[in-house]
Amino acid sequence: DVKVTQSSRYLVKRTGEKVFLECVQDMDHENMFWYRQDPGLGLRLIYFSYDVKMKEKGDIPEGYSVSREKKERFSLILESASTNQTSMYLCASSSGGGAVETQYFGPGTRLLVL
Amino acid sequence: QQQVKQSPQSLIVQKGGISIINCAYENTAFDYFPWYQQFPGKGPALLIAIRPDVSEKKEGRFTISFNKSAKQFSLHIMDSQPGDSATYFCAASGAGNKLTFGGGTRVLVKP
Repeated sequence: DVKVTQSSRYLVKRTGEKVFLECVQDMDHENMFWYRQDPGLGLRLIYFSYDVKMKEKGDIPEGYSVSREKKERFSLILESASTNQTSMYLCASSSGGGAVETQYFGPGTRLLVL
Repeated sequence: QQQVKQSPQSLIVQKGGISIINCAYENTAFDYFPWYQQFPGKGPALLIAIRPDVSEKKEGRFTISFNKSAKQFSLHIMDSQPGDSATYFCAASGAGNKLTFGGGTRVLVKP
């Protein structure tokens, strides 16, 4: 079974803090993704990565950065957290077969920025 | 703006009834249309998917209907069960591995 784990289920941070969200997958997948989930807006892609040290912007990258130093690990960084970044953050991974490959999601991190 | 529009936002159905969720897309380059199911406290998981070369795909009680000319597709849940209560997301993808998701539909099946 594919397993995608996220470092925290819940996080509370202050405005201006630097926030790190960690994601690890155990299936040797090439692709990894970070989404945020907001009611009525569905899942919106923040950043994704097709390979180690490679990253591409998704639809809403502003205010975020990512790091992928190892194949199994993909980190999302909020350089200076703001209240509008309060959301559920979901990490996903998939094998490198292209669009039809299933994305496997972690359980999510619910982030509250005060 | 959302490239994949999903409706309704929420749905209540009696046990044994049919749940229908609709999605419409704009980008004609989309060629893969999955549906994901999410239970509370869990991440979404792939439920069923379709390519535009077929008009319907059925897996158990779940059926996708696809209308390429109208750029619409829908999920039908037949004989809905309380265990089907979840949030459902349609999605679409073109070249590459990026998925564009709809806004989600929260389905509640009443016993």
